[in-house]
Amino acid sequence: AQSVAQPEDQVNVAEGNPLTVKCTYSVSGNPYLFWYVQYPNRGLQFLLKYITGDNLVKGSYGFEAEFNKSQTSFHLKKPSALVSDSALYFCAVRPRGSGGYQKVTFGTGTKLQVIP
Amino acid sequence: GAGVSQTPSNKVTEKGKYVELRCDPISGHTALYWYRQSLGQGPEFLIYFQGTGAADDSGLPNDRFFAVRPEGSVSTLKIQRTERGDSAVYLCASSVPYGGQDTQYFGPGTRLTVL
Repeated sequence: AQSVAQPEDQVNVAEGNPLTVKCTYSVSGNPYLFWYVQYPNRGLQFLLKYITGDNLVKGSYGFEAEFNKSQTSFHLKKPSALVSDSALYFCAVRPRGSGGYQKVTFGTGTKLQVIP
Repeated sequence: GAGVSQTPSNKVTEKGKYVELRCDPISGHTALYWYRQSLGQGPEFLIYFQGTGAADDSGLPNDRFFAVRPEGSVSTLKIQRTERGDSAVYLCASSVPYGGQDTQYFGPGTRLTVL
């Protein structure tokens, strides 16, 4: 069975500093990996995904994530945090299937707090 | 363009009552998903529709939960004999299927409170 771990419930970072939100996964084979952001009382908004190729994926709002196969990780990063980045971030994994539907499994989320 | 919409945004009901939650996906998205998000948790898969048919309903917790998508567009999640443990945010997502690479786009959710 697939699983996603987000080891930090909350990450605090000062505005202007780089941020990292950690994600590790467990799945058979190579996965598709996703990051979503959720603002209060809102649905999830897609940030970026890893499909294949370059391990560094660039997404919306200046976010990027690095796929590391050996460490089974997909950490979310941003060079310079903004107060408006404060939100709940979810990592998700989807197995590559030989055919048919594969479920997406989400982590429990990490609350990012950017301090002015 | 219009995103995924869900109605109502909030629903308060009493234990034992029946509720319906509606999802209107992005136009042209043949795949539709329902998730349940409890406080402090990530979305938990409930059911997946491809077109009109439920391709995977393995996430439905019990037979009190049922979902339909009769015309391959709007979907309704139905919960019978609601229990306090059903209280959660119910999220709907849609996508254009593409071998698992597809991005699911989420609606704002319906917050269900069972008293």
